[in-house]
Amino acid sequence: KNQVEQSPQSLIILEGKNCTLQCNYTVSPFSNLRWYKQDTGRGPVSLTIMTFSENTKSNGRYTATLDADTKQSSLHITASQLSDSASYICVVSAGRAGGGADGLTFGKGTHLIIQP
Amino acid sequence: EADIYQTPRYLVIGTGKKITLECSQTMGHDKMYWYQQDPGMELHLIHYSYGVNSTEKGDLSSESTVSRIRTEHFPLTLESARPSHTSQYLCASSDPGQGTETQYFGPGTRLLVL
Repeated sequence: KNQVEQSPQSLIILEGKNCTLQCNYTVSPFSNLRWYKQDTGRGPVSLTIMTFSENTKSNGRYTATLDADTKQSSLHITASQLSDSASYICVVSAGRAGGGADGLTFGKGTHLIIQP
Repeated sequence: EADIYQTPRYLVIGTGKKITLECSQTMGHDKMYWYQQDPGMELHLIHYSYGVNSTEKGDLSSESTVSRIRTEHFPLTLESARPSHTSQYLCASSDPGQGTETQYFGPGTRLLVL
């Protein structure tokens, strides 16, 4: 069964500090891995999408890494801001071969709180 | 900012009522999706569509139904709401012409069935 596990479940850090969120997956076949940011009461917004051949991708203060051999990804947030408080969701796509609508498997997310 | 809209944003309704959650997008995307998300939990796909007159059930069994008569519109209907339907419902769309299809999500509808 395809699974996406995220850690930690929740995290509280002080404004200005860095943090790293983890995502481990057992999805086969692998098409791409996505990180989304979901503000409370809103829909998720895409941060990065990485395919098999990409091992790092940045979007401003967000940097995602992918190790397709160990099936692990991380999302690093630099110099955190209060607006970074949100849930961060890891999503792995198996493509059409994974069945359903693009074979997407969602993690439960990491709930990040930035304190002033 | 994604051009995908959901109405209503919040809905409180009694058991047994029929409800329709609206979703529309102005990006011309062929693919649209409905997800159900409980607090602190992952999104579960309940319906999707590859285009007009195409609808499929998702991974999570749902008593809801959908229709896709127009590209931009993908409403979800519950014929008889029950307390177990209380959840957040998220609509999304994507463009299959992209190499890696980014999904664009609407703001969601929070449903409470009493």
